[in-house]
Amino acid sequence: AQSVTQLDSQVPVFEEAPVELRCNYSSSVSVYLFWYVQYPNQGLQLLLKYLSGSTLVKGINGFEAEFNKSQTSFHLRKPSVHISDTAEYFCAVAPTGFQKLVFGTGTRLLVSP
Amino acid sequence: GAGVSQSPRYKVAKRGQDVALRCDPISGHVSLFWYQQALGQGPEFLTYFQNEAQLDKSGLPSDRFFAERPEGSVSTLKIQRTQQEDSAVYLCASSLVSTGGIGNSPLHFGNGTRLTVT
Repeated sequence: AQSVTQLDSQVPVFEEAPVELRCNYSSSVSVYLFWYVQYPNQGLQLLLKYLSGSTLVKGINGFEAEFNKSQTSFHLRKPSVHISDTAEYFCAVAPTGFQKLVFGTGTRLLVSP
Repeated sequence: GAGVSQSPRYKVAKRGQDVALRCDPISGHVSLFWYQQALGQGPEFLTYFQNEAQLDKSGLPSDRFFAERPEGSVSTLKIQRTQQEDSAVYLCASSLVSTGGIGNSPLHFGNGTRLTVT
């Protein structure tokens, strides 16, 4: 079975500051890793994914994440946030070769001027 | 074309009522998923279809929950005798292919149906 831990339920940050949203996972098999964003009253939108290869993956809206196998982490970063980045961010894993996603509980990013 | 469409967007049901939630996936998408997202939580897997076949229903919380996709396109999630703990947002997602896992074909999510049971 897989599990995902997002320790920070809420991260407040000022506009144009850098941000890191933490994600740790547990799995006995190899997994794919994902970050999704959810704006109010909307569905989930894929930010980026790690399947294999380079451990640093770049996504949409200037976000990037780094896969660290030894620490079983997949932290999301952005060097300079905008007000429009205010949303809920979910880390998720899926066993390779399968389609079922397991999500973390989410981190609310609050960007203020 | 259009994305994944879910209806209704909001549903209020009295405890004990039956409800039906509809999902129109992207045309041609083989795989379809239902997730339940309780307030302040991440989505949790309910069930998965490949065309009309329900291949995994391990996430359905009780036998009051039933999902179908009879013609391999539109899907309906039915909840019988709703309880207050059923209050949540129900998300539907679809993907183009079924082989090779989610790495080969990203999931496209609908905006969800918010169910409130009073």
